[in-house]
Amino acid sequence: QVQILQSGAEVKKPGASVKVSCKASGYTFTDYYMHWVRQAPGQGLEWLGIINPNGGGTSYAQRFQGRVHMTRNTSTTTFYMELSSLRSDDTAVYYCAKSPNSMVEWDYWGQGTLVTVSS
Amino acid sequence: SYVLTQPPSVSVAPGKTARIPCGGSNVGGMSVHWYQQKPGQAPVLVIYYDSDRPSGIPERFSGSNSGNTATLTISRVDAGDEADYFCQVWDNSNDHWVFGGGTKLTV
Repeated sequence: QVQILQSGAEVKKPGASVKVSCKASGYTFTDYYMHWVRQAPGQGLEWLGIINPNGGGTSYAQRFQGRVHMTRNTSTTTFYMELSSLRSDDTAVYYCAKSPNSMVEWDYWGQGTLVTVSS
Repeated sequence: SYVLTQPPSVSVAPGKTARIPCGGSNVGGMSVHWYQQKPGQAPVLVIYYDSDRPSGIPERFSGSNSGNTATLTISRVDAGDEADYFCQVWDNSNDHWVFGGGTKLTV
């Protein structure tokens, strides 16, 4: 069955970077894009961007341009999202979610990774 | 940028019908997707393309979309339906995914 397993919680200091991973299994890795989205405490969902597993092409939300970097490893069927220059308001649960293409519904989500930014 | 508006909470008695609105300018011209999120769990797709249901989602869940409001309808509500529900659209103008703020359903 489909599984998307995310890496564990992280605590980072302001100005640092964090790298979150999503290990995908149970489906054909190259058939589905992977989105990244976050949810700050008590807040709604905010889209960070998307990566195409074929070739690794990315599209990032404008407000994260220059600060987010998404990659994938086809050998290990794992996606990565790195966010740099962390601030306290980056504290959130970060999710990955797959979709058949970039503009349709997201049919399966990872369990989420809590990133806490604190001095 | 495009904005989707949801009420923070909706309450409904067991066995009754819950209707959760999602408002946006001419949202009827867009495809709306709905997700259910229970505490501590990952979101689950419950409705896509306004009114389609993924396999495994009960027929009690339905959706509609017209004008400036999309609506998620849950009939014969039970305690297991208590969750946050949020709507989602692809904003073509800004090449950006947009989410509603979410609605907490209390049964």
